[in-house]
Amino acid sequence: GESVGLHLPTLSVQEGDNSIINCAYSNSASDYFIWYKQESGKGPQFIIDIRSNMDKRQGQRVTVLLNKTVKHLSLQIAATQPGDSAVYFCAETPVGGYNKLIFGAGTRLAVHP
Amino acid sequence: EAGVTQFPSHSVIEKGQTVTLRCDPISGHDNLYWYRRVMGKEIKFLLHFVKESKQDESGMPNNRFLAERTGGTYSTLKVQPAELEDSGVYFCASSQAGVGELFFGEGSRLTVL
Repeated sequence: GESVGLHLPTLSVQEGDNSIINCAYSNSASDYFIWYKQESGKGPQFIIDIRSNMDKRQGQRVTVLLNKTVKHLSLQIAATQPGDSAVYFCAETPVGGYNKLIFGAGTRLAVHP
Repeated sequence: EAGVTQFPSHSVIEKGQTVTLRCDPISGHDNLYWYRRVMGKEIKFLLHFVKESKQDESGMPNNRFLAERTGGTYSTLKVQPAELEDSGVYFCASSQAGVGELFFGEGSRLTVL
């Protein structure tokens, strides 16, 4: 079946460095992509989203890049802080999917002082 | 404003027993979703309510799972009888009408022994 996956299960970075979390998706019909952050004991929290008619979107310290040619999604976190330590999930929604999200496996981001 | 709340936060039951999970969405959110993450796997969609109606229940694993949303407010997810493979974290999420940001609860962890 179609799925969304992640290249790296764990990413360790130094505080202050930039982090890049990658995601590959296989459903070319998907038109909406979201990054979620999940801290221990909590539910997934929306970070940033992007629609398929865009290739880049910026938020506060975060940027999402979408490359439809190679079906690749990335999340960039600038000046990574200890509070950014969490598991990050990418998710996609097919056209008409009404938020029926297809999640990737998740990448754990560990920020070291 | 209260977020999505789920109860219980953790439930430990024996195989063959019944468990009922409850979700209270954000007030005014017509859309309510159930997702779950079993050990080591991705978060997967179970079903979607629009008000009291089931919009999509394609993710429900089998007929041991029953979800209801009487009155279009809170929802319950019953597992009867529970099996070992049902162990995991069950997330509820809600959103306003149409496609919008999903707000997740903290999840109900189910452990079946």
